[in-house]
Amino acid sequence: QVQLQESGPGLVKPSQTLSLTCTVSGGSINSDSYYWNWIRQPAGKGLEWIGRFYSIGSTRYNPTLKSRVTISVDTSKNQFSLRLTSVTAADTAVYYCARSGDGGYDFDYWGQGILVTVSS
Amino acid sequence: DIQMTQSPSSLSASVGDRVTITCRASQSISNYLNWYQQRPGKAPDLLIFGVFNLQSGVPSRFSGSGSGTDFTLTIDSLQPDDFATYYCHQSYSSPHTFGLGTKLEIK
Repeated sequence: QVQLQESGPGLVKPSQTLSLTCTVSGGSINSDSYYWNWIRQPAGKGLEWIGRFYSIGSTRYNPTLKSRVTISVDTSKNQFSLRLTSVTAADTAVYYCARSGDGGYDFDYWGQGILVTVSS
Repeated sequence: DIQMTQSPSSLSASVGDRVTITCRASQSISNYLNWYQQRPGKAPDLLIFGVFNLQSGVPSRFSGSGSGTDFTLTIDSLQPDDFATYYCHQSYSSPHTFGLGTKLEIK
């Protein structure tokens, strides 16, 4: 059973960098059958896909965030990470990590989510 | 970006009712359409992938249909556990995009 767990600071100051980690258990992040994604959801609002990492080292980002986002992986720890620079209050949201397959790219496993608040 | 228009935004129904939620894509997305259920304070759960394929463990009262740009999620005989928010999602092209959600409430 694959499980994902987000971790990181729950409070980030404006203009600083948001950094989160997703730890994957029950499956290898090195698998070339899956993509590893970050998705966020502001309170009371819908879902926004941030970007994804693929095991061969390729990444793809949402153009609305591309200039500020980096997704990287640590295969030795079976983790992948999100960095979002120059944050503002608009980046306050619950951040989810999720897995998608290389077939239909649906998000079949999700972490529980972590609330990140941007405030001074 | 592909825009996903979901309707209605909210829906009141009773246990035992049949409800339908629709999702329209701004361009053809083939069969790359997925549905999620989200309960308050929880992560979304995959219900249906590829238009009509039920995720493992999802009750058969859930069904999906459609093609191209127009898709529907139908729930037959609503159960108390089904009152939640539902999202459609297109995985045809990057960036992935979601509908704004349909909140299903008890009448």
